[in-house]
Amino acid sequence: DTEVTQTPKHLVMGMTNKKSLKCEQHMGHRAMYWYKQKAKKPPELMFVYSYEKLSINESVPSRFSPECPNSSLLNLHLHALQPEDSALYLCASSQEAEQNEKLFFGSGTQLSVL
Amino acid sequence: GDSVTQMEGPVTLSEEAFLTINCTYTATGYPSLFWYVQYPGEGLQLLLKATKADDKGSNKGFEATYRKETTSFHLEKGSVQVSDSAVYFCALSAHMDTGRRALTFGSGTRLQVQP
Repeated sequence: DTEVTQTPKHLVMGMTNKKSLKCEQHMGHRAMYWYKQKAKKPPELMFVYSYEKLSINESVPSRFSPECPNSSLLNLHLHALQPEDSALYLCASSQEAEQNEKLFFGSGTQLSVL
Repeated sequence: GDSVTQMEGPVTLSEEAFLTINCTYTATGYPSLFWYVQYPGEGLQLLLKATKADDKGSNKGFEATYRKETTSFHLEKGSVQVSDSAVYFCALSAHMDTGRRALTFGSGTRLQVQP
């Protein structure tokens, strides 16, 4: 299994809603990532988890809250988002955080904030 | 800081045409270089990579050579197919001041192949 699975594929939410994005991999990778991708732009790194611990937070607003319940799962909790947060949110994994060159990406969650 | 510059798209070609997508980089140290591809509605996939100067990465008919003297990593394919239509991202991975490695992406180049 070389897949990274993300759910849901599409999400529409209001600015007062609370929602969560989910990501799962069963490749035994110990590093997992959240990226944000705006239309026609490259992915931008948000968070890195290494061995289930948050190792990098790229100055992301607190309305985005990551969680890594175990080595196979990664969540992104969303609360009080703004319309400008609308984007494709990509999850990725790699064997180790220091070997992040071969990233396996999920197909993403297309988020629209109304 | 490290950066990657790609040619702007879209690049529109007819099937079986020759493809070149230019990529140049700026980095301190000795980065590894990558091409990722993103098909419509999907995440990014690693297409090929090169880890040192003069290395050639290749996959699915695509090739790119790590040119340290020109700081380039241009993507080429001899004969494109409609199924190659996608967005192509050049990227580099290098050690940052913090000691960790980080992947820096270029802005992406959209390829449209017409039958």
